[in-house]
Formats: sequence, C-alpha cells, structure tokens
Amino acid sequence: GESVGLHLPTLSVQEGDNSIINCAYSNSASDYFIWYKQESGKGPQFIIDIRSNMDKRQGQRVTVLLNKTVKHLSLQIAATQPGDSAVYFCAETSRNTGGFKTIFGAGTRLFVKA
Amino acid sequence: NAGVTQTPKFQVLKTGQSMTLQCAQDMNHEYMSWYRQDPGMGLRLIHYSVGAGITDQGEVPNGYNVSRSTTEDFPLRLLSAAPSQTSVYFCASSYSTSNAKNIQYFGAGTRLSVL
Repeated sequence: GESVGLHLPTLSVQEGDNSIINCAYSNSASDYFIWYKQESGKGPQFIIDIRSNMDKRQGQRVTVLLNKTVKHLSLQIAATQPGDSAVYFCAETSRNTGGFKTIFGAGTRLFVKA
Repeated sequence: NAGVTQTPKFQVLKTGQSMTLQCAQDMNHEYMSWYRQDPGMGLRLIHYSVGAGITDQGEVPNGYNVSRSTTEDFPLRLLSAAPSQTSVYFCASSYSTSNAKNIQYFGAGTRLSVL
C-alpha cells in the first residue's frame, strides 16, 4: 500500500492474477481521487478517477474503491499483465481559494511476474 | 498531437548556477503545474497556475520561480541551483478549473543534476 517516506512499497504478482494497490489519503474534504500509472522514464498517465460522493467506479480491467470512513482508496487490476508493471500513484484533489490543489501519494511499484 | 512538452530532457548544473526549465502545452489547458520527483518518492508540487497571469505556491516552492505570461507556456526558474534540487521535474496541465476533477497530463520530465 501507499506510505509517505523514503521507501517505495512494492507489490509483486503473478501474470493473470488480480492486483490490489492501496492508498491512504489525508484530507477528508478532498473532492476527487485519481489513479496514475508511471512507467519507467515517463511521466504519470491517468488511469481512472472517482468523485468523493461515489464508493466504486469501474473501467477497463480496473476498479477503484473509495472508503471515506477510513480515508482509504484502492485500485484493483484484473488479470494483471506484464505491461501493467509500473509505479502507481493515487492523488487527492480539493478546492482552495485559488482553484484547487492536488496532492500525490508516494506510489506503489507493481512487478508482474511472467 | 504534442501534448505537454518539456525541455531539456537532461541537465547538469553547478551549484549556484541558474537556469530555466521550459514547459509548453498545446491543449489550451488553463491549469499548469510543476512537480519534483525524488527517488522512491511521490510527486511534490512546486508551483501551479490556474490561468495566464496567475501563479501560486505549492508544497515546496523555495528556490524556484514561475511565471505564466501565456496559456501555453509555464517556465520554471531555478535562481541559484543547490544539490538538494537534484531531481526529476515534471510539468503537467489540465483543463478543469471549474471543479476539482483535475485530470493532469504530464510531460516526459527533465532530469536535473546539481553538482
């Protein structure tokens, strides 16, 4: 799962298995939560988002779950493939007087074993 | 379709030198931001802008300046480089300023080393 600190959490899964990546967020007033995927040497790419008034959203092979009671977010990847190997970040966005502010979690590295 | 373009891709500086990291987007996005990413860590917000002529500080603004004279460009200036600024810098843009959805599109990054 996610943690703020010097060491990047790592998740290793077998190809074809399902992956679950967790994230704890801090701001109970956050309006949106977004998952990004970052492959080696590239910038992060949007995967899926969820609004704070929802608890589940599904995309293609990915599902995001939001538990506002414990301020927890998870990304589920079905039938994980080698191309899913990357670092995954959750981000929370909240409004402020200047518009909004987005804060990223520290990331989780996903290794997919063939 | 270029998206977000960052230059240079790599840069080595000596302590005390100044330089500007360039960022341009061709998507007519109002919101642009700069992040730094240190090894094994997430993205930390340096500065952001909600539109031309408007900038604001993020989590780690010290040692950096920004300006937003046009919608397309959002340069990041290092005033006097320090080894602690060795990092990978990402520029991002998004079109959402009316709500907080803020799906950001990132450039490929600039890898900066300060000796």
